[in-house]
Amino acid sequence: NAGVTQTPKFRVLKTGQSMTLLCAQDMNHEYMYWYRQDPGMGLRLIHYSVGEGTTAKGEVPDGYNVSRLKKQNFLLGLESAAPSQTSVYFCASSSRGGNTEAFFGQGTRLTVV
Amino acid sequence: GENVEQHPSTLSVQEGDSAVIKCTYSDSASNYFPWYKQELGKRPQLIIDIRSNVGEKKDQRIAVTLNKTAKHFSLHITETQPEDSAVYFCAASNAGNMLTFGGGTRLMVKP
Repeated sequence: NAGVTQTPKFRVLKTGQSMTLLCAQDMNHEYMYWYRQDPGMGLRLIHYSVGEGTTAKGEVPDGYNVSRLKKQNFLLGLESAAPSQTSVYFCASSSRGGNTEAFFGQGTRLTVV
Repeated sequence: GENVEQHPSTLSVQEGDSAVIKCTYSDSASNYFPWYKQELGKRPQLIIDIRSNVGEKKDQRIAVTLNKTAKHFSLHITETQPEDSAVYFCAASNAGNMLTFGGGTRLMVKP
């Protein structure tokens, strides 16, 4: 049972480049989330999904897009990377939303130069 | 929206001492309060949670208390051990779709 898996684990981008982060979960969870983690600022929600085909904005959505075409996958896209997007990105999933345990992926360390 | 404040941002204790981390929240409708532990370079993992119909919950050396009137909750770790060294995050949810996290506390347990 792999849980939540993120791809890739590390990435370096040049300013203006685009990329997609993939999150996959095998727990049949309805809810999936993308967070970014910056020093001293905890985990801030970027976008989330309450089920296949749905997406919604979180606290810090600007500069990111997401898609949930399949229940088990949640993709995070950066169309034109900026240095301010240098961060550690975590994907998470839960069975019944914010009121239940969230299971996190191992994180993706992204550096934009 | 919900706002969660967490203090202190860093905490250093001697092995065997107790550690207390405090959080306040703004949304009186919040009713679920989990705590996550993140070891260096690892993913956050749930260690304990409490719901609004309970004032205290214990699990071996860790406990969480909740004061709904004052809108604050705390994590208590007794008999700290070096393996307790990590970053701890509190969070709050109002039974909606989102968890709002505090800024984190780096706990260092000195042998």
